[in-house]
Amino acid sequence: DQQVKQNSPSLSVQEGRISILNCDYTNSMFDYFLWYKKYPAEGPTFLISISSIKDKNEDGRFTVFLNKSAKHLSLHIVPSQPGDSAVYFCAAKTSGSRLTFGEGTQLTVNP
Amino acid sequence: DTAVSQTPKYLVTQMGNDKSIKCEQNLGHDTMYWYKQDSKKFLKIMFSYNNKELIINETVPNRFSPKSPDKAHLNLHINSLELGDSAVYFCASKDGGFYNEQFFGPGTRLTVL
Repeated sequence: DQQVKQNSPSLSVQEGRISILNCDYTNSMFDYFLWYKKYPAEGPTFLISISSIKDKNEDGRFTVFLNKSAKHLSLHIVPSQPGDSAVYFCAAKTSGSRLTFGEGTQLTVNP
Repeated sequence: DTAVSQTPKYLVTQMGNDKSIKCEQNLGHDTMYWYKQDSKKFLKIMFSYNNKELIINETVPNRFSPKSPDKAHLNLHINSLELGDSAVYFCASKDGGFYNEQFFGPGTRLTVL
């Protein structure tokens, strides 16, 4: 039973436009959500996070939105840059330290 | 300076062999993890150690045995390798605190022939 799902395996956008990556979860006990970015042959690196008490968190070009009633979160990248091309993983956790990851979305930003 | 390092980066071996993957972190973190990323790309936790003590042990075959000689190292030993063990294995570490993120190593791609 996959508790965190990223239904789009890939996304392609033009440089300068907005990238929107989506993530759905089923466990209502999740109270902290993170996005990780992964380049080929490297490990995932932390990008941005959001607590369940918030509905938005912004860090530069990256904004994460959380809709708890829909059990949905999204990552917005504006403006998208070619260097943003990577696999993006959504992850969630409860009060324990265990992270549950989605399967990732490959973002390609075309110059 | 590499924060979380793993060796080897690539490992190709025959079925039935025993192999080890090593992980070291120089961040001073208390907690370390092993994840497996299979062909479907899911990152799934296998083990977690806190100050050399096993705290998470997912449903993993007992052919997999983690060992933490000190809090900066977490090694993964795999006995009697099977084809289905082929995957990328990631080590990660984290400092205390619920909101702290995990730092990942570069991964070890294991191929069992």
